[in-house]
Amino acid sequence: EAGVTQSPTHLIKTRGQQATLRCSPISGHTSVYWYQQALGLGLQFLLWYDEGEERNRGNFPPRFSGRQFPNYSSELNVNALELEDSALYLCASSPRTGGRYNEQFFGPGTRLTVL
Amino acid sequence: SQQGEEDPQALSIQEGENATMNCSYKTSINNLQWYRQNSGRGLVHLILIRSNEREKHSGRLRVTLDTSKKSSSLLITASRAADTASYFCTTVGNAGNMLTFGGGTRLMVKP
Repeated sequence: EAGVTQSPTHLIKTRGQQATLRCSPISGHTSVYWYQQALGLGLQFLLWYDEGEERNRGNFPPRFSGRQFPNYSSELNVNALELEDSALYLCASSPRTGGRYNEQFFGPGTRLTVL
Repeated sequence: SQQGEEDPQALSIQEGENATMNCSYKTSINNLQWYRQNSGRGLVHLILIRSNEREKHSGRLRVTLDTSKKSSSLLITASRAADTASYFCTTVGNAGNMLTFGGGTRLMVKP
């Protein structure tokens, strides 16, 4: 069974540009989560999508947004990129079993570098 | 503030030794999970322990949970060089499903 996949692996942008990161969850998983791992800041929760809807978002500005498609894949968009947006962006998915959420399975990440 | 805080921040041991990492958290939880991250790559799920469980085993891993002390420990027995990684504990509260992470424990296993 394929795991969570993310694309691209690496992304280099300049300040002010927009970045789009993509994630495909494990087959059968309906929830997708996005996390940011910036140097010195640790892993921080960004966004959670389930069944096509945004369920929760972390303490990030509105220029971080995303969506979940009918096939449960997801996009993370970062507008007006700033240097401090440089980080590893991790996507995770989880199944929804009996209404209770389970462990999250992570993809390999997209490393975004903002110059 | 961080929900899960690992201790120690860094640990260096010889191959074959046991490694113990601790985690403390602040609020009530639904479950607690341990993950491993190799050198800036994706996280690998190791083990999940639910709030009504006290101990769980998986291969060379043993996890304990003490909800009265709001703490957990991860024991890796007979460590190998391949165990070198950062280890994170994360919690899922009763109010939502997003994970909160501490700073992790950086484990180095010397061959």
